[in-house]
Amino acid sequence: GNSVTQMEGPVTLSEEAFLTINCTYTATGYPSLFWYVQYPGEGLQLLLKATKADDKGSNKGFEATYRKETTSFHLEKGSVQVSDSAVYFCALPNQAGTALIFGKGTTLSVSS
Amino acid sequence: SAVISQKPSRDICQRGTSLTIQCQVDSQVTMMFWYRQQPGQSLTLIATANQGSEATYESGFVIDKFPISRPNLTFSTLTVSNMSPEDSSIYLCSGGQGAFSTDTQYFGPGTRLTVL
Repeated sequence: GNSVTQMEGPVTLSEEAFLTINCTYTATGYPSLFWYVQYPGEGLQLLLKATKADDKGSNKGFEATYRKETTSFHLEKGSVQVSDSAVYFCALPNQAGTALIFGKGTTLSVSS
Repeated sequence: SAVISQKPSRDICQRGTSLTIQCQVDSQVTMMFWYRQQPGQSLTLIATANQGSEATYESGFVIDKFPISRPNLTFSTLTVSNMSPEDSSIYLCSGGQGAFSTDTQYFGPGTRLTVL
């Protein structure tokens, strides 16, 4: 079945540093890929998504490119802020396309 | 998009009791789900809430422990029955419009449950 492997944290960065959080997947076909973010004390929010190979999802300065050659969907941001401190989850649909499978989550802490 | 609310936001319960969590969506959604997020862990799908019929449970979850109702397209409840400390988790409701090959799933803020 489909699965996702996500870089484990925690990741600790200084403000304005470059961020990469790695995510690789195993899937039948080419399902949509998602990044969700969970800010402290809150529920999950969709950060960005890509629905087909070579698509780039982007939002709030974050980007991720759907790369079928490397089965990856790495999350990047050129200059992080303290307000980006959160847990980030990579996700894709299960094989039936009826629910999402989540990675283990990566905790990002940004200090000023 | 859809905005999802949950009640209660948190609760502390005694071992052996039950808690019912409510999930309300501000618009009709085709699919509704319940997830569990144990401390420091990722999300695990408990079940798909089906309107007007029994929920579809994932491996390791059973109806007697986690009865679910979904009377209409905007509301669902999850009951955590006969609780033990191992049930201490965040329980999240989510909803979406269709098949997740392409569609976005929206999440509620979660219910933080502590069982003593």
